Amino acid sequence: QSALTQPASVSGSPGQSITISCTGTSSDVGRFNYVSWYQQHPGKAPKLMIYDVKNRPSGVSDRFSGSKSGNTASLTISGLQAEDEADYYCSSYTMNRTVVFGGGTELTVL
Amino acid sequence: EVQLVESGGGLVQSGGSLRLSCSASGFTFSSYEMNWVRQAPGKGLEWVAYTSDSGNTIYYADSVKGRFTISRDNAKNSLYLHMNRLRAEDTAVYYCARGPYSGTWFPNWFDPWGQGALVTVSS
Repeated sequence: QSALTQPASVSGSPGQSITISCTGTSSDVGRFNYVSWYQQHPGKAPKLMIYDVKNRPSGVSDRFSGSKSGNTASLTISGLQAEDEADYYCSSYTMNRTVVFGGGTELTVL
Repeated sequence: EVQLVESGGGLVQSGGSLRLSCSASGFTFSSYEMNWVRQAPGKGLEWVAYTSDSGNTIYYADSVKGRFTISRDNAKNSLYLHMNRLRAEDTAVYYCARGPYSGTWFPNWFDPWGQGALVTVSS
């Protein structure tokens, strides 16, 4: 199972909005609404930000939103803040009853 | 507070074995699905294994199938990962991660995660 495709890096200025894409196939992202997004700060464990494409866990800011179209899922962060600078990973359930992650995207807040 | 604490990591020679443990607290462990996810140094995340709340349904990544075994002891609120025939490419931080409440029966999302246990396999 190949990893989902994410851009290696994205950047934005405080207050702006950015979107991170996550492209899979018809066997994973395109087949199921089980896409999740994780935030990971250096040296820390990942934190769930979005699950089942667009749902936010309790305590996650509503500046984070998720969506999906076809084989591509997206994470949008609005009102960018310095604390949002981190690595972001998407994941999807697959038809092989496994989970595949994206390669990760480094977000820089300028 | 929900907590997951991994232990058992360390340095092992290629071909050797190791057992990781994850101690859970702050929630009804026996009612949640659980997973192991790993991250090689400087690399991305890789899902490793899943177990249902009862332990009756288990799935593995192809990269570890036949070498790793996930298990749980609900009486001890503990999750385990038995790793055999270890290879250099298994070197990673291994995270214990909680899945959804019972009833999904497949790996989906992970929340929360433990702090991780480093496993280093020397070749």
